[in-house]
Amino acid sequence: QSALTQPASVSGSPGQSITISCSGTSSDVGGYNYVSWLQQHPGKAPKLMIYDVIKRPSGVSNRFSGSKSGNTASLTISGLQADDEADYYCCSYGDSAWTVFGTGTKVTVL
Amino acid sequence: QLRLQESGPGLVKPSETLSLTCTVSGGSISNSDYYWGWVRQPPGKGLEWIASSQHSGNTHYNPSLESRVTISLDTSNNQFSLNMSSVTAADTAIYYCARARFDSWGQGTLVTVSS
Repeated sequence: QSALTQPASVSGSPGQSITISCSGTSSDVGGYNYVSWLQQHPGKAPKLMIYDVIKRPSGVSNRFSGSKSGNTASLTISGLQADDEADYYCCSYGDSAWTVFGTGTKVTVL
Repeated sequence: QLRLQESGPGLVKPSETLSLTCTVSGGSISNSDYYWGWVRQPPGKGLEWIASSQHSGNTHYNPSLESRVTISLDTSNNQFSLNMSSVTAADTAIYYCARARFDSWGQGTLVTVSS
């Protein structure tokens, strides 16, 4: 099971919106509405930001939103803040592996 | 509030078996609504799912690790464990336990494989 494909890095200025893509196949991202997004600050455990493509856990800012089109899922961060600077990982249920993670994206706030 | 805490040796010799335990507090692993699992992260690299299991007996493994990995649940102690055999330097990583919706994580424990 190959990792889902994410851009290595995305950057934006405070207040702007950025979008991180997560590309898979019809056997994972495209076939199921089980895509999650995780945020990881350096030296910390990951934190769940989005699950089931579009749902936000309690306590997560509504500046974070998820979507999916075909085999590609996306995470949009609006009103970018300094604390949003972190690594972001998507993950999905898949036919050949119960869970597969994305390659990870480093978000830089300029 | 759910808390997870990994424990186990930080140094394992090549070819030996890595054994880790995750102690859960603030919730029961007997709740069949949830899976419990392990994820690892080599230093400076991305996340890799290892395995997940549910009290009802449903268990899933990463196909690339399945031949070397066993996950087990100990409901009497509210713990779950990971055993990984025949380790090599490539298995050096931070190992995290998590509720497998990934909404709760342990702090992670670094395991180094070295002689």
